[in-house]
Amino acid sequence: AQKVTQAQTEISVVEKEDVTLDCVYETRDTTYYLFWYKQPPSGELVFLIRRNSFDEQNEISGRYSWNFQKSTSSFNFTITASQVVDSAVYFCALSEKWQGGSEKLVFGKGTKLTVNP
Amino acid sequence: EPEVTQTPSHQVTQMGQEVILRCVPISNHLYFYWYRQILGQKVEFLVSFYNNEISEKSEIFDDQFSVERPDGSNFTLKIRSTKLEDSAMYFCAPRGRRQILNTEAFFGQGTRLTVV
Repeated sequence: AQKVTQAQTEISVVEKEDVTLDCVYETRDTTYYLFWYKQPPSGELVFLIRRNSFDEQNEISGRYSWNFQKSTSSFNFTITASQVVDSAVYFCALSEKWQGGSEKLVFGKGTKLTVNP
Repeated sequence: EPEVTQTPSHQVTQMGQEVILRCVPISNHLYFYWYRQILGQKVEFLVSFYNNEISEKSEIFDDQFSVERPDGSNFTLKIRSTKLEDSAMYFCAPRGRRQILNTEAFFGQGTRLTVV
């Protein structure tokens, strides 16, 4: 069965620190997709990245970077030089298609990041 | 421009009342999903909808819930007789404009349902 584990419930850092949010997943499928979302206090889910299981290249987008390692079933997210505006709950999610499933997203429990000035 | 608009943004209803949550996708999406997030908890899958029928539903999606796409555009989630525990944020997430599935999964801004 699909499962996403975000072991860090809450993280607090001081502005300009780097911070890494961990995500470990379980899947029985060879084709799957991994996602990260940001949920600010306003409540919406903001899409950050999608990565398919065949692409293990790390990705960088500005201050954000993602490290996908199939060997350890991890898809970690790093924010470099964190800012107060990065304060939010971050969710990792997995999507797979297994036995005709609908490719729904399965979410982790989220990591609440607080960046203090 | 958002991929999808949800209405209302916030609804307060009395226990036992029926509510209808609406999702208006911008483009011709193929799959439609509803997710629920109880305050402070993770986002949970409710139901997926494809080709005018439910393709998958979770244990949460019991007989009190229904979905439809009545006019080929709006995608609705109906809760027939709301319970206190239905209080949550409900998200709509359309996907897959063509036969290419697993495109970026954008979520609507959500409807916060409060049952009193």
